[in-house]
Amino acid sequence: AQKITQTQPGMFVQEKEAVTLDCTYDTSDQSYGLFWYKQPSSGEMIFLIYQGSYDEQNATEGRYSLNFQKARKSANLVISASQLGDSAMYFCAMREGLLGSGGSNYKLTFGKGTLLTVNP
Amino acid sequence: GAVVSQHPSWVICKSGTSVKIECRSLDFQATTMFWYRQFPKQSLMLMATSNEGSKATYEQGVEKDKFLINHASLTLSTLTVTSAHPEDSSFYICSAEYNEQFFGPGTRLTVL
Repeated sequence: AQKITQTQPGMFVQEKEAVTLDCTYDTSDQSYGLFWYKQPSSGEMIFLIYQGSYDEQNATEGRYSLNFQKARKSANLVISASQLGDSAMYFCAMREGLLGSGGSNYKLTFGKGTLLTVNP
Repeated sequence: GAVVSQHPSWVICKSGTSVKIECRSLDFQATTMFWYRQFPKQSLMLMATSNEGSKATYEQGVEKDKFLINHASLTLSTLTVTSAHPEDSSFYICSAEYNEQFFGPGTRLTVL
């Protein structure tokens, strides 16, 4: 079974500073995908970034980067130059199999989330 | 990107009534849709996996007779909360799968 652990219920960061949100995972699969989602107070789930288990380079998407340490089974999200609009709940998730590998019915396993507050 | 809609975005109903929530993939066909439930300040909990033209697969502990799921077409899945009670009040989110899961905006259900 897959498991995602987010140990930080809440995090605070000053505007314009960088922040790291922790995520560790457990799986017996060799092929898997890791995701980060942002959920503002409106409730929508916003996809931020994806890392495949065989990707050697850390994924980056604008101000978001994923610090992937496979041996430690960690997939931390780094947000650079925080903005007030980054205040939200952040969820780490994983699925069996890689994106683009075909098939369907790929369930996502979510962590409990980290509430990020960006202070002006 | 792929767009998924949900209707209604919020609903208030009386205890004992049934409520139907629609999930539509607007610009793609999804053979699989997922339904999640989220309580305040908690994570998303998968309720069921819905495949077009077949019965939904429910997660352990989810009452299939209470949460009826229908996936009649490749772009529409519905979740009906039957005989709703206050403890069913929650945020319900669907996602549609096209290689990855694309999430709807969610439906906030309040049962009085």
